[in-house]
Amino acid sequence: QPQLQESGPGLVKPSETLSLTCAVSRYPISNGYYWAWIRQPPGKGLEWIGSIYHSGSVYHNPSLKSRVTMSVDTSQNHVSLKMTSVTVADTAMYYCARQTRVIPIWFDPWGQGTQVTVSS
Amino acid sequence: QSVLTQPASVSGSPGQSITISCTGTTSDVGGYDYVSWYQQYPGRTPKLVIYDVSDRPSGVPDRFSGSKSGNTASLTISGLQAEDEADYHCASYTSSHSLVFGGGTKLTVL
Repeated sequence: QPQLQESGPGLVKPSETLSLTCAVSRYPISNGYYWAWIRQPPGKGLEWIGSIYHSGSVYHNPSLKSRVTMSVDTSQNHVSLKMTSVTVADTAMYYCARQTRVIPIWFDPWGQGTQVTVSS
Repeated sequence: QSVLTQPASVSGSPGQSITISCTGTTSDVGGYDYVSWYQQYPGRTPKLVIYDVSDRPSGVPDRFSGSKSGNTASLTISGLQAEDEADYHCASYTSSHSLVFGGGTKLTVL
């Protein structure tokens, strides 16, 4: 099983851009699979953000698509997420996970998550 | 507001069986056999326990089972154990080529 480790700034100001990285170990991203981003606001349910393949093919949550950019760096073996114009509603634990199927239907395993707080 | 509807909480005594429902529409749960369930302990990472409606990943006890009827999917845990106390989240593929989650259900083992 691959291991995933998210990292990010922790605190982001409203209207700024959030940037997160998911480092994948024990599995070369270039070998295949999609890699997904999922978030969970405090005390709430999960929300799928999107998924990206090593070739750059992506699936997006339609409600977030206009603000989200995902990318892959096969040399560093990591995937990245950028979300623009953040608000307090974007405060959440952000997870990355492996998506084994071509379409976004289930995710396993998940990283430990990185907490993002949007506050001035 | 989550797209899939789950009860906020369910409870059961050790040894009993409980069922958690997950209701969607013909555009998600009812339209595809791509429902998954995740177990999440407080402060921990979600763990896949059911995929493709009723399949179990390796290592998940056979006490966990999944099913679907129409627009409603269900997770059943039989022989309830104290360690099953956790939050459970359902998810479904959608006609928009996306994935939606339910709001999560807190399972309490009495």
